[in-house]
Amino acid sequence: TQLLEQSPQFLSIQEGENLTVYCNSSSVFSSLQWYRQEPGEGPVLLVTVVTGGEVKKLKRLTFQFGDARKDSSLHITAAQPGDTGLYLCAGRYFRTASKLTFGTGTRLQVTL
Amino acid sequence: DAMVIQNPRYQVTQFGKPVTLSCSQTLNHNVMYWYQQKSSQAPKLLFHYYDKDFNNEADTPDNFQSRRPNTSFCFLDIRSPGLGDAAMYLCATSRAISTGGPSEQYFGPGTRLTVT
Repeated sequence: TQLLEQSPQFLSIQEGENLTVYCNSSSVFSSLQWYRQEPGEGPVLLVTVVTGGEVKKLKRLTFQFGDARKDSSLHITAAQPGDTGLYLCAGRYFRTASKLTFGTGTRLQVTL
Repeated sequence: DAMVIQNPRYQVTQFGKPVTLSCSQTLNHNVMYWYQQKSSQAPKLLFHYYDKDFNNEADTPDNFQSRRPNTSFCFLDIRSPGLGDAAMYLCATSRAISTGGPSEQYFGPGTRLTVT
């Protein structure tokens, strides 16, 4: 099963710090989604990006889609303990339109 | 609220004893997916239904089967669970894909399967 390269794998930071998570592919996405998953729960959709260069904001979270639609980043400003979880990017390719290819995941721990 | 529901949330079965996990959705989505997720890993797609068309992933073991009796329900059957099948099983749904249009997948809360 193909996976997208996601970095870092693990991140432990203190409340109030900023962080960025990256998601990279060698192929062009038709669209890309970011999910957050808490222990024992299913992934929850945060955002979908479609257009190259697109930037979307969700409160303290900023999502960017690369100009070439091969990469994306998630930036969290002033992280809070409630941001703790597994962050997954998931891309849809044109050739496999009905399926998502997931990133390897970034486990974020935010401590007081 | 429209949603994806999975039952049960926790399932314990014995080695080799068949088990069925269920998923229902009120989103009226055409596509339903089953994923297996092991600890701190990305979800792994087992198969999906596009309407009634079943699409199996090449590396999904024969031990895993699925049924979709109608638009709203989808079942995952594990015929002879092994210890290695202990995992979180996630159901997801999405609308049919149209050209150039994104179609997000919405996940249920998952069923955690324990094999003893």
